[in-house]
Amino acid sequence: AQKVTQAQTEISVVEKEDVTLDCVYETRDTTYYLFWYKQPPSGELVFLIRRNSFDEQNEISGRYSWNFQKSTSSFNFTITASQVVDSAVYFCALITNAGKSTFGDGTTLTVKP
Amino acid sequence: GAVVSQHPSWVICKSGTSVKIECRSLDFQATTMFWYRQFPKQSLMLMATSNEGSKATYEQGVEKDKFLINHASLTLSTLTVTSAHPEDSSFYICSALGQGATEAFFGQGTRLTVV
Repeated sequence: AQKVTQAQTEISVVEKEDVTLDCVYETRDTTYYLFWYKQPPSGELVFLIRRNSFDEQNEISGRYSWNFQKSTSSFNFTITASQVVDSAVYFCALITNAGKSTFGDGTTLTVKP
Repeated sequence: GAVVSQHPSWVICKSGTSVKIECRSLDFQATTMFWYRQFPKQSLMLMATSNEGSKATYEQGVEKDKFLINHASLTLSTLTVTSAHPEDSSFYICSALGQGATEAFFGQGTRLTVV
């Protein structure tokens, strides 16, 4: 069985603050993929990043960065210098080779001006 | 990445009617498609997995007679919500997996409101 836990239900920060969204996963598969998606109020899922289980390199993309720690089964997401447009629900997801996705419950991020 | 298109983006229907949602892979052949449902302020939950040319596999608790899934071609899967009720109001989203691929791509979702 697979499980993704996003312990933070809601986070509220003031613009320009840094914020980290936590994600912890469980799987027995040795090959898997981890994703982060952003879901704005309009509802569509916006792809942010994909990581496979063999690639533990951290990644930075503009104000976004991701920290993949296989030893702790975590895949945390940090937004630096947050902006109001970052306000959304963020989902962490685990996908196996079979293609099935298991999503966390999501973290609602509110960035106040 | 590959493109998956879902239609319609939103639909409002009367209670008791049926609604069909389409999921198309535009630039690849999708041997497997997945259908998810998301209730307000909740996560996405897998409803069913469909493989082209065979019957869909439904997750526990999902009524197969109510949510009819057809995957008749390698580029199209449809989800029909039959005899819709207000409690079926939700956000439905599909994802498509190509043969031999390791990543499924999501459609943009369909917001269904049953009144």
